[in-house]
Amino acid sequence: AQSVTQLDSQVPVFEEAPVELRCNYSSSVSVYLFWYVQYPNQGLQLLLKYLSGSTLVKGINGFEAEFNKSQTSFHLRKPSVHISDTAEYFCAVRPYNQGGKLIFGQGTELSVKP
Amino acid sequence: NAGVTQTPKFQVLKTGQSMTLQCAQDMNHNSMYWYRQDPGMGLRLIYYSASEGTTDKGEVPNGYNVSRLNKREFSLRLESAAPSQTSVYFCASSVVAREAFFGQGTRLTVV
Repeated sequence: AQSVTQLDSQVPVFEEAPVELRCNYSSSVSVYLFWYVQYPNQGLQLLLKYLSGSTLVKGINGFEAEFNKSQTSFHLRKPSVHISDTAEYFCAVRPYNQGGKLIFGQGTELSVKP
Repeated sequence: NAGVTQTPKFQVLKTGQSMTLQCAQDMNHNSMYWYRQDPGMGLRLIYYSASEGTTDKGEVPNGYNVSRLNKREFSLRLESAAPSQTSVYFCASSVVAREAFFGQGTRLTVV
């Protein structure tokens, strides 16, 4: 079975500061990795994905994430946040050979203050 | 291109009533999913369908049934609603090994 742990339920940060949202996963098989963002009262939107190749992936809105296979982590970073980045962020994994099932972490609320 | 469309957007049910949540996608995706979202618990998979004609249980299937009507449509049915099923429900679709695309959600309250 697979599981995803987002290590921080809430992250407050000041505008223009850097931020890191942490994600660890557990899986007995190889996985694809994703980060999604959810703005209030909306659905989920893909930020970025790791399928193969370079372990540093870049996404929309200036976010990036690094896949670390030995530490089974996929942390999300942004060097300078804006008020508009305030949202909930979800890490998700998809096992290679399990019919496309997508498993989510509990979410991290990012709150950017002026 | 509408993507993933869910209906209704809001619903209030009395305990014991039944209802069906509808989901349709126009992206020709094989896989479809139903999730529920509760505060502090992320998204939990209720059922998924890897392809037309197949459905499988996810993490929290009790109290729900699904139908993959055709490649486009995947419905979720609550036969006898309970207050514990108060939640926001999301439908999603994908091709295998790619990201999932989500609908805007259905906010369900069971009183």
